[in-house]
Amino acid sequence: GAVVSQHPSRVICKSGTSVKIECRSLDFQATTMFWYRQFPKKSLMLMATSNEGSKATYEQGVEKDKFLINHASLTLSTLTVTSAHPEDSSFFVCSASEAGTDTQYFGPGTRLTVL
Amino acid sequence: GQNIDQPTEMTATEGAIVQINCTYQTSGFNGLFWYQQHAGEAPTFLSYNVLDGLEEKGRFSSFLSRSKGYSYLLLKELQMKDSASYLCAVRDGDYKLSFGAGTTVTVRA
Repeated sequence: GAVVSQHPSRVICKSGTSVKIECRSLDFQATTMFWYRQFPKKSLMLMATSNEGSKATYEQGVEKDKFLINHASLTLSTLTVTSAHPEDSSFFVCSASEAGTDTQYFGPGTRLTVL
Repeated sequence: GQNIDQPTEMTATEGAIVQINCTYQTSGFNGLFWYQQHAGEAPTFLSYNVLDGLEEKGRFSSFLSRSKGYSYLLLKELQMKDSASYLCAVRDGDYKLSFGAGTTVTVRA
């Protein structure tokens, strides 16, 4: 089946630093990748949609300069949280879908803690 | 905006049946998905409904009524490994997924 990986699974960083999270589709080519954010006991909230080779489309209220998304290849998308602050601490999940399919396959998530 | 409601928690006994309801109000509709998520793991796809009616897949079944904005996920012959969070997600007119907050199901021996 379709497998999506994320790295790292957990990261703890100091306030003011930047953190990069990778999302990879391991056995299929992902024309579209999605980035979600989840706070405890809350819904997964879509942050942005990225298509390979083009700029990401951000949802309303998501700061594009804060959350930099790059989708450089058909198997890799990255999310960089810039100048992280404690309120940025949350669970980030990516998903990927193959061209012509309806289903999104999710990565295992990355828990970010900013001290 | 999108509004998707599902119960926060449910508890059931091993071998029993549990039904998780989901009601939604979205701008446009292009299908409803159910995902299972164990703590610290990826959500895994369970079912997809785009037309009214029941979709059965082994011990899991999902039902959709578009006119009522309502779906349920039915888990039969519950096993301990079914203890997880179950997410209802609706794909809207822009083909974006909106999720409910999830229902935590606890299966007791």
